[in-house]
Amino acid sequence: EAGVTQSPTHLIKTRGQQATLRCSPISGHTSVYWYQQALGLGLQFLLWYDEGEERNRGNFPPRFSGRQFPNYSSELNVNALELEDSALYLCASRSEGAGYEQYFGPGTRLTVT
Amino acid sequence: EDQVTQSPEALRLQEGESSSLNCSYTVSGLRGLFWYRQDPGKGPEFLFTLYSAGEEKEKERLKATLTKKESFLHITAPKPEDSATYLCAVRAGGGADGLTFGKGTHLIIQP
Repeated sequence: EAGVTQSPTHLIKTRGQQATLRCSPISGHTSVYWYQQALGLGLQFLLWYDEGEERNRGNFPPRFSGRQFPNYSSELNVNALELEDSALYLCASRSEGAGYEQYFGPGTRLTVT
Repeated sequence: EDQVTQSPEALRLQEGESSSLNCSYTVSGLRGLFWYRQDPGKGPEFLFTLYSAGEEKEKERLKATLTKKESFLHITAPKPEDSATYLCAVRAGGGADGLTFGKGTHLIIQP
């Protein structure tokens, strides 16, 4: 069974630009979660999508947004990039009805210069 | 506010030297405590879910336990390949569905 996939692996952007990160969940999983892992801060919950809808968001500004497509894949958009947005962005997926375990992808390393 | 504190921040053991990692949590209505393993530059790998005090789960050299205030990850006779950062996370009640993570314990097993 293929795991969660994310693209690109690395992304380098300049302050003020926009970044788009993509995630494909495990087949059959309908919920997708986004987390930010910045140095020294640990994983912080960003967004949760289920059945195409944003269900919940963490304590992040509105310039962090995203969407979920009909095939359950997801996209995270970060507008007006700031230096402190440099981090590993992790996507996780979960199967409805099973245990609550979230399965993570390998992440996208975003560097803002 | 939900909080997860892991200790120690780093732990260096000799191969075969058993030890325990601690995860203390403050959460309103615990709906699951999760342990993950993360290798450098990779995404977290799921290990265990615990739902109620007294519950225990085992996998190879790892055993996770849960009380009303904390969880322990016991590592028995570790091997160098057990070296990684171990993360603890909680899922709270109230409809918020993201996990709250601790900062992790960086474990090094020396041959």
